Amino acid sequence: DAGVIQSPRHEVTEMGQEVTLRCKPISGHDYLFWYRQTMMRGLELLIYFNNNVPIDDSGMPEDRFSAKMPNASFSTLKIQPSEPRDSAVYFCASSSHGGAFGYTFGSGTRLTVV
Amino acid sequence: QKEVEQNSGPLSVPEGAIASLNCTYSDRGSQSFFWYRQYSGKSPELIMSIYSNGDKEDGRFTAQLNKASQYVSLLIRDSQPSDSATYLCAVRTAGNQFYFGTGTSLTVIP
Repeated sequence: DAGVIQSPRHEVTEMGQEVTLRCKPISGHDYLFWYRQTMMRGLELLIYFNNNVPIDDSGMPEDRFSAKMPNASFSTLKIQPSEPRDSAVYFCASSSHGGAFGYTFGSGTRLTVV
Repeated sequence: QKEVEQNSGPLSVPEGAIASLNCTYSDRGSQSFFWYRQYSGKSPELIMSIYSNGDKEDGRFTAQLNKASQYVSLLIRDSQPSDSATYLCAVRTAGNQFYFGTGTSLTVIP
């Protein structure tokens, strides 16, 4: 299994631009999570999906953030417009059984907004 | 009060020593407990899970859970320089919420 695949690995963009982060979960996993990690705040859950349906988006910081999961093998996290304070590492993770046995994380996308 | 709390460290131990990492959680109904290891610039990697009171051993790693005290710990025996990383405690609550601590940085000195 290739694990959770995220793209791009690094993204540098100018303030105000749209950014799209992509994730392919492990085949057969029915839960998908988007996290953001910064030195100051650690790992923060942004949103998670179960069977492609968004279950909890209370961690999405504001309307500039949106996430979709059009099918079981693909999800996107979009930031529009981006701001310097959005600079962070964004992780996608997937699991089965609601995370009862833990998550598998992707390699992350390091986002820098200048 | 945070859902999961860890000492941020840094924790330094000499090679061959036992490293002890601690975590407390606030939701008494929590069911599942995890330790992740994160090397600098990498993603978190699940190394231990524990679900019932007591100890669980896996190689050089031992996870300990005390639900009455709402306390989880990770012991690393015969610490190696390759164990130098940040260790994240994670808790899955009865309401299926998943919380991570901010992590403890461990350095094993050769």
